[in-house]
Amino acid sequence: GESVGLHLPTLSVQEGDNSIINCAYSNSASDYFIWYKQESGKGPQFIIDIRSNMDKRQGQRVTVLLNKTVKHLSLQIAATQPGDSAVYFCAEQTGANNLFFGTGTRLTVIP
Amino acid sequence: DTGVSQDPRHKITKRGQNVTFRCDPISEHNRLYWYRQTLGQGPEFLTYFQNEAQLEKSRLLSDRFSAERPKGSFSTLEIQRTEQGDSAMYLCASGRIGGGYGYTFGSGTRLTVV
Repeated sequence: GESVGLHLPTLSVQEGDNSIINCAYSNSASDYFIWYKQESGKGPQFIIDIRSNMDKRQGQRVTVLLNKTVKHLSLQIAATQPGDSAVYFCAEQTGANNLFFGTGTRLTVIP
Repeated sequence: DTGVSQDPRHKITKRGQNVTFRCDPISEHNRLYWYRQTLGQGPEFLTYFQNEAQLEKSRLLSDRFSAERPKGSFSTLEIQRTEQGDSAMYLCASGRIGGGYGYTFGSGTRLTVV
């Protein structure tokens, strides 16, 4: 089955700095990728998505980069704020099938 | 509120008891998913429905687990003869065919089996 993993389980950044969270995926047939943010006691919250025919997509303060050659996905958060502290998951999907999640990276923003 | 709602938020049960969780998806969403999440892990797929039809079940879904979506709206997930290993957060998500692949998650039901 698919395997989605993250390079770092924890990440600490100073408030105002940029954060980069990385993710590796193994299924080259995956055509859709999503980053979710999960705060304690809550369900995953959609942040940004990208389709496999793109290599970059920008949202408000967030950018997702996709490198299909090395099957790598990253989430960049600009000017990280304390409210960004959470666990971040990447997830991959093939067609309209189920999402497969990685283990997650815990982001801690230091005031 | 137009989000996905789950009930109850927390459930503590004794080993061997049966429990049932409910999920109310976003009303116009015809797909409904159940996931299980243990501490420090990402959500793991359990099963999903398209309207009232259960289209796929994970091998994680043992015979003690059953899910229904009788009218294509809300769904229930029942666990019979609970075991301590069933302790987890049970997440429901909904999505719409043709509306993009991503889903919206509820806040989950945290089950503790003692």
